[in-house]
Amino acid sequence: GEDVEQSLFLSVREGDSSVINCTYTDSSSTYLYWYKQEPGAGLQLLTYIFSNMDMKQDQRLTVLLNKKDKHLSLRIADTQTGDSAIYFCAESIAGLMNYGGSQGNLIFGKGTKLSVKP
Amino acid sequence: DVKVTQSSRYLVKRTGEKVFLECVQDMDHENMFWYRQDPGLGLRLIYFSYDVKMKEKGDIPEGYSVSREKKERFSLILESASTNQTSMYLCASSFRGTPTDTQYFGPGTRLTVL
Repeated sequence: GEDVEQSLFLSVREGDSSVINCTYTDSSSTYLYWYKQEPGAGLQLLTYIFSNMDMKQDQRLTVLLNKKDKHLSLRIADTQTGDSAIYFCAESIAGLMNYGGSQGNLIFGKGTKLSVKP
Repeated sequence: DVKVTQSSRYLVKRTGEKVFLECVQDMDHENMFWYRQDPGLGLRLIYFSYDVKMKEKGDIPEGYSVSREKKERFSLILESASTNQTSMYLCASSFRGTPTDTQYFGPGTRLTVL
């Protein structure tokens, strides 16, 4: 079945770049997502990338997609202590089309806890 | 801005109690989801609903039921709470009809069952 894999922990120093990696299995995924979860809070959408793109940049965030290897990465430039959080990779799955639309299901990785040291 | 609210941030219940977790979204989304989040296990889908009165089982529906009587509200019910249901519960919603399946999450309810 579908699966999304991420490493569980990453520690960086403030000002360095962080790279969080993710692999997925469903080659029919249309969109891939990065969500951020701050302590005690719900998940917040950071960015997403369409599967026919290789790269997407949004301020300090760069998403790279290698569709051949089914590998997704999130790079955070100039990492700040406020970036400390859990980052989840997710893929949309090719679900059934009901009532004119998809079911909208996402498969999430287990999350990577990013710790930023001053 | 999309807003997804959950009725409680923290809840403490006793084993055997019936527990209701409520979720409300204000963006007219068709799809709504309930997940539980546990350390080392990530998010696991319990139930989802893609329309009023419609529900589908997710990966771990055992011990839970849901209710979707109105489009904006999706309730998760623990008929008889057990200690292994102590967890963080996250509700999400998404709009059907856009190319993406972006889900918007509530702040979560941390449930402790004693």
